[in-house]
Amino acid sequence: QKEVEQDPGPLSVPEGAIVSLNCTYSNSAFQYFMWYRQYSRKGPELLMYTYSSGNKEDGRFTAQVDKSSKYISLFIRDSQPSDSATYLCAMSLLGNNDMRFGAGTRLTVKP
Amino acid sequence: GAVVSQHPSWVICKSGTSVKIECRSLDFQATTMFWYRQFPKQSLMLMATSNEGSKATYEQGVEKDKFLINHASLTLSTLTVTSAHPEDSSFYICSASGGPNEKLFFGSGTQLSVL
Repeated sequence: QKEVEQDPGPLSVPEGAIVSLNCTYSNSAFQYFMWYRQYSRKGPELLMYTYSSGNKEDGRFTAQVDKSSKYISLFIRDSQPSDSATYLCAMSLLGNNDMRFGAGTRLTVKP
Repeated sequence: GAVVSQHPSWVICKSGTSVKIECRSLDFQATTMFWYRQFPKQSLMLMATSNEGSKATYEQGVEKDKFLINHASLTLSTLTVTSAHPEDSSFYICSASGGPNEKLFFGSGTQLSVL
């Protein structure tokens, strides 16, 4: 079993839809949870960074962490074609030195 | 947000030559930098962790003599792919942070194509 599981998709939605992206993990000791957005042939861009369980909102993006279920989610409201990218979840125990990445979910938002 | 600059963004080279990729933190001091490799439609694969002033720590299966990493200052790390071969063709990405509990920021990546 991989430490971090993420459905690679692809996921295609119409513009304006609510997008739900998810990851599960096996190591209950993970403390830091991140979501990155990666456009084709570019480096990942940090979208959300959370330390504890619960929700964190930033504009159209909401990150949710459920440590009891070992499950994290990223919600995108009012999705736009510019949101089309690969979304990577990442998590770590102590910080950057042991970060683990999901496989990434390819999202396409159609106009 | 913090900026990490990576150059070149793409490079084509002949088999047997060496290629150097630079990673710079522009507005913060990066005590640690990371180097990844990414194949198409796959996630990031950590190659090595680079700490300023010390030897890099390589992940299992990564040849340290082939992928030379130098982290000579708090703002610059370099990855040199020595005697590159077609199987080394990949997308290489660096990342940097100001400390183990600081946010991690990525460079824009380097697409290496070895002919």
